[in-house]
Amino acid sequence: DQQVKQNSPSLSVQEGRISILNCDYTNSMFDYFLWYKKYPAEGPTFLISISSIKDKNEDGRFTVFLNKSAKHLSLHIVPSQPGDSAVYFCAARGTGANNLFFGTGTRLTVIP
Amino acid sequence: KAGVTQTPRYLIKTRGQQVTLSCSPISGHRSVSWYQQTPGQGLQFLFEYFSETQRNKGNFPGRFSGRQFSNSRSEMNVSTLELGDSALYLCASSLAGTGGEAFFGQGTRLTVV
Repeated sequence: DQQVKQNSPSLSVQEGRISILNCDYTNSMFDYFLWYKKYPAEGPTFLISISSIKDKNEDGRFTVFLNKSAKHLSLHIVPSQPGDSAVYFCAARGTGANNLFFGTGTRLTVIP
Repeated sequence: KAGVTQTPRYLIKTRGQQVTLSCSPISGHRSVSWYQQTPGQGLQFLFEYFSETQRNKGNFPGRFSGRQFSNSRSEMNVSTLELGDSALYLCASSLAGTGGEAFFGQGTRLTVV
């Protein structure tokens, strides 16, 4: 049972435009959400996170939005750069736990 | 500050053999988690160790085991290897307790032939 879902396997965006990656979850006990960027044969690189007590968190070009009522979060990258091309994973964690539940990933391609 | 180090990076084993993978967490991090990544199943949680104790376990058979040493380094062992165990095995370290970000190593690519 996939508790974290990324329904778009791929996304292509022009350089300079906004990239929006979406993630849905089913478990209402999740209280912390993270986004990772991953290149093939490498480990995921942490990008940004958000606690369930917030609805927005920004870090440079990256902003994560959380809609708890819809059990939905999104990652906005503005402006998108060719170096952002990678697979992006959404992950979630429950209260008092360290294990992460991952989505299946979205491959972002930023076209120069 | 050194990141999470996993060794070896690549490994080829034969069905039926066993394998041990190693993970050195970021200095000061006491929680180490292991994940398996396969094309079909994505990233799945194996287990977590904190202060030398297994604190949480995913839904994997008993052939998968691990341990953590007093210096927080962790090892993962897979016995009686099967072809389906071919995957990228990732280790993640966290500062302490629960919560906060998890930082991943580069992984060990295991191929079972």
